Amino acid sequence: AQTVTQSQPEMSVQEAETVTLSCTYDTSENNYYLFWYKQPPSRQMILVIRQEAYKQQNATENRFSVNFQKAAKSFSLKISDSQLGDTAMYFCAFMRSSGGSNYKLTFGKGTLLTVNP
Amino acid sequence: DAGVTQSPTHLIKTRGQHVTLRCSPISGHKSVSWYQQVLGQGPQFIFQYYEKEERGRGNFPDRFSARQFPNYSSELNVNALLLGDSALYLCASSSGGTENTEAFFGQGTRLTVV
Repeated sequence: AQTVTQSQPEMSVQEAETVTLSCTYDTSENNYYLFWYKQPPSRQMILVIRQEAYKQQNATENRFSVNFQKAAKSFSLKISDSQLGDTAMYFCAFMRSSGGSNYKLTFGKGTLLTVNP
Repeated sequence: DAGVTQSPTHLIKTRGQHVTLRCSPISGHKSVSWYQQVLGQGPQFIFQYYEKEERGRGNFPDRFSARQFPNYSSELNVNALLLGDSALYLCASSSGGTENTEAFFGQGTRLTVV
């Protein structure tokens, strides 16, 4: 079974600054995907960024980037130039690669990020 | 295009009752998954259906059941409700296929059991 651990229940950052959210995971799988999801107060889970385990290059999406360390089973999210709209719960999630018919996501407990003006 | 739609948005039930939650995936998506999110926790996987067949089941009691219809919409049923079933129930749809791994979530159904 896979486990995902987010060790920071809450974090805060000043607007325009950079913040890094931590995530570690445990798996015996070699092929898998890792995700960061954002859940604002509206409750809808929104995909922020995705990383394929077979890719060594870290994924980036505009102000969001990850530091993927496969050997250490670490997957942190860096948010640059933080904006007030980034305030939300952030979840790290794992999904094993299974040929496209299995979409089970295993989530961490989340990190509540508050961006202060 | 409409996103994933869930109904109802809020629901209050009494212990021992039965509840049915509904989910319509994004048009063209063939996979639907259900998650339970208890307050302050991450979502927990309940079921996944792909092409109307169950492809995965999480560690939930038999009181939880689901099905997927020919139009790929889905229902989650919970019998003999307990106070501990109070949670946000999320539905996610995916298109399916080897390289497509993105799950799109609905806004959830907030179930309160009293």
